[in-house]
Amino acid sequence: KQEVTQIPAALSVPEGENLVLNCSFTDSAIYNLQWFRQDPGKGLTSLLLIQSSQREQTSGRLNASLDKSSGRSTLYIAASQPGDSATYLCAVYDSGAGSYQLTFGKGTKLSVIP
Amino acid sequence: DGGITQSPKYLFRKEGQNVTLSCEQNLNHDAMYWYRQDPGQGLRLIYYSQIVNDFQKGDIAEGYSVSREKKESFPLTVTSAQKNPTAFYLCASTPLHRGFYDGYTFGSGTRLTVV
Repeated sequence: KQEVTQIPAALSVPEGENLVLNCSFTDSAIYNLQWFRQDPGKGLTSLLLIQSSQREQTSGRLNASLDKSSGRSTLYIAASQPGDSATYLCAVYDSGAGSYQLTFGKGTKLSVIP
Repeated sequence: DGGITQSPKYLFRKEGQNVTLSCEQNLNHDAMYWYRQDPGQGLRLIYYSQIVNDFQKGDIAEGYSVSREKKESFPLTVTSAQKNPTAFYLCASTPLHRGFYDGYTFGSGTRLTVV
């Protein structure tokens, strides 16, 4: 069964710093990987979607990479801002157990200090 | 604008009561999902449906029931058999293209509390 791990569980950085969030998955036969942001008490907002044939995706100050062979993805946030403070979730989409499902990591809680 | 609407935002349930959480989408997505989120546990799949009048159990279906009578709607009932229903419930949808998709869209969630 697919397992997704996110390290670190929590991260605190000063404003303006560049940072990297890590995501690893146990079964490399995935179709895609999606990064989400969740603010306290809110739903999930999609940040970036990487198809299995892609190596990276970029949106503004965010860049996500995917290395299927090693079972890893990273989310790079440039020039962090206090508004980036949230929990970031990584999820992989695969056909494990015979059905197409999204498996989530437990998230990294990011705090950007002004 | 297209999206997913979950209601209510907050819900309180007395012991022994059944309650129903609403999820409606106007994205014309085929598949819909219900997840439960607990602190420190991540999101866990309760039920999903890929087509009208059909649905499948996820990892933690016990104590829950669903229906899919319309493509746009996927309500979740939390029954009295669910022993620990206090949690944050999230509904999601996605178009169904195997091997390629535009990603999941999530609603804003319903926080259920047992009183």
